[in-house]
Formats: sequence, C-alpha cells, structure tokens
Amino acid sequence: QQQVKQSPQSLIVQKGGISIINCAYENTAFDYFPWYQQFPGKGPALLIAIRPDVSEKKEGRFTISFNKSAKQFSLHIMDSQPGDSATYFCAPPSNFGNEKLTFGTGTRLTIIP
Amino acid sequence: DVKVTQSSRYLVKRTGEKVFLECVQDMDHENMFWYRQDPGLGLRLIYFSYDVKMKEKGDIPEGYSVSREKKERFSLILESASTNQTSMYLCASSPRWDPSPREKLFFGSGTQLSVL
Repeated sequence: QQQVKQSPQSLIVQKGGISIINCAYENTAFDYFPWYQQFPGKGPALLIAIRPDVSEKKEGRFTISFNKSAKQFSLHIMDSQPGDSATYFCAPPSNFGNEKLTFGTGTRLTIIP
Repeated sequence: DVKVTQSSRYLVKRTGEKVFLECVQDMDHENMFWYRQDPGLGLRLIYFSYDVKMKEKGDIPEGYSVSREKKERFSLILESASTNQTSMYLCASSPRWDPSPREKLFFGSGTQLSVL
C-alpha cells in the first residue's frame, strides 16, 4: 500500500491569508495528483488536480504546486475565506493503471475573521 | 449532476447483527467504491468494483463483503457487526479510466454507523 503523508493535521488561518497544505507520497509511477474538499455532513468532492508534466496549476484562488523530485505536492489557497473552512485530502492513485486512490489523513482548515 | 445516494444517513446496530449499507449511482459509472472515514486516519478503501459481479479487496476488507448485482448499485455487508466497525462509510463512483474521466471520483454523503 502506498504511503501518503499529509500535513498539517489542522490549520487556522486568518481571513485573507494564505493556507498551505502539503502531501508527500512514495510511488513515482503516478500521472495524477488530486486534492479533495469535504464540508461537514458531505462526502469529499474533487477540488483541483494536476498532472506531473507541469509544476503548477491554478484555478481561481486555489493552486497546486508539484515537486516531482521531492515527491511532494501542495495546495495553496490564496485570500482564504470563511467558506473555505473544510477538511482537505490529497489522494494520489495507489497504482498506475487502476482507479484506486490512497487518501491522506486530512487537514482540517479553519478560516477566522 | 452525478448523484451517489446512500440509503441511510445514520444507522444504529447491535454487536453481531448483519448490516447492509446500500449505494446507488445514476451516471452509469463502471467503478464503485466503499471507503470508511475515521478521525486521524483519513479515508481507507474497503472494497471496490469495476464491473457488475466483479469486486476487489481494498486496504481493509476484513469483516466486510460486497455485492454488485446491477451496475448502479453497490452494497456493503457487515456479516457480524462489531464495535470497531463504528465509523462513517462513504460510497463513491467513477467512470472507467481513460486519461480524463479517471480524474473524478464522486462521493455520496455518507452513512454514520454506530455499533453498540
């Protein structure tokens, strides 16, 4: 089973600040690195994903940065808002060629006014 | 919109009972999954199915079985529920892999199961 290390476990950020969540993985045979967002009482939903042929992908206030040599990818939330308060999971695939994902342990993000 | 529906939001069962958790998806997806979510452990894959009557073990299959008789429905079965199976159970579906669709895993809202 692939190991995925996500940090921090919890994060408190002031409104308007930058939230940064990191994910380290082991298996190098992946071609897809997603982040999922989960609100209380809901299932996780895909937030943003990146392929390893680029080092960064931006969608609105959300950016994925990918460091292939370090086997890490991170989520940056710019101008963080109270509505961003949720739990975030990185979920790289378990094995190249199948659809299983291995989820990180999650980061509970709280944005305070 | 893809919809993944889990039959119960909350369920309370007694130790030793046989428990069925049902999941239905309406997007004709080939793949379906069962995860359990526990604080500090993230989501862990129990079983998945990539076609009708096909199933594969995930990372923590012990104490569970599954059934997929129809494409849209995937059931998780706890043959004899135990207290350590108290958890949030999440069902998910996705289209069969090709470069684009593999990027999307759609989840239901979850079933919080308590085993007393």
